[in-house]
Amino acid sequence: RKEVEQDPGPFNVPEGATVAFNCTYSNSASQSFFWYRQDCRKEPKLLMSVYSSGNEDGRFTAQLNRASQYISLLIRDSKLSDSATYLCVVNMRNTDKLIFGTGTRLQVFP
Amino acid sequence: DVKVTQSSRYLVKRTGEKVFLECVQDMDHENMFWYRQDPGLGLRLIYFSYDVKMKEKGDIPEGYSVSREKKERFSLILESASTNQTSMYLCASSFKGARNIQYFGAGTRLSVL
Repeated sequence: RKEVEQDPGPFNVPEGATVAFNCTYSNSASQSFFWYRQDCRKEPKLLMSVYSSGNEDGRFTAQLNRASQYISLLIRDSKLSDSATYLCVVNMRNTDKLIFGTGTRLQVFP
Repeated sequence: DVKVTQSSRYLVKRTGEKVFLECVQDMDHENMFWYRQDPGLGLRLIYFSYDVKMKEKGDIPEGYSVSREKKERFSLILESASTNQTSMYLCASSFKGARNIQYFGAGTRLSVL
């Protein structure tokens, strides 16, 4: 079983739509969680950290459910520029290593 | 602004050649990482380093070695390149600490013929 699992997609949504991605992680010792964004042929960049109480950054909302070991990302009012691959990332206790999911591809169309 | 610079965007090498991939960061980060990224497999950690002259194996170190002689520079070495090492290689760096974000270079797309 993969340590971090994501639906690869693609999710094809029209502009203005709301879309949500989930990610599950297998190790209960995971302590920090992130969403990274990767544009086609570019490097991954941090989109947002995920906090226990949930957090919002503009149109983006991240949630963490430790009991069920999943993380979610909600994008409201999708823009064409949101088209990218979204990587779910987990950090274990006592290490600076990150574990990356394989990503969920989002395509927003006009 | 954090900058992680990889020496080449594209490289083409022949089987058996020794290949050096260089990475430099300008933020005085303690940690540096080398990953490879392949379709359907995501990012896989090859090696990482927490300090100068220090290195630790990641998940897929076979066929690779690394060198960290200076804090800002982390090199990935393919001693004898093979076709199955054709991939996108990404370098990253971060400060020490659980919540510290990794910053990535633009990547080197290596083709081994």
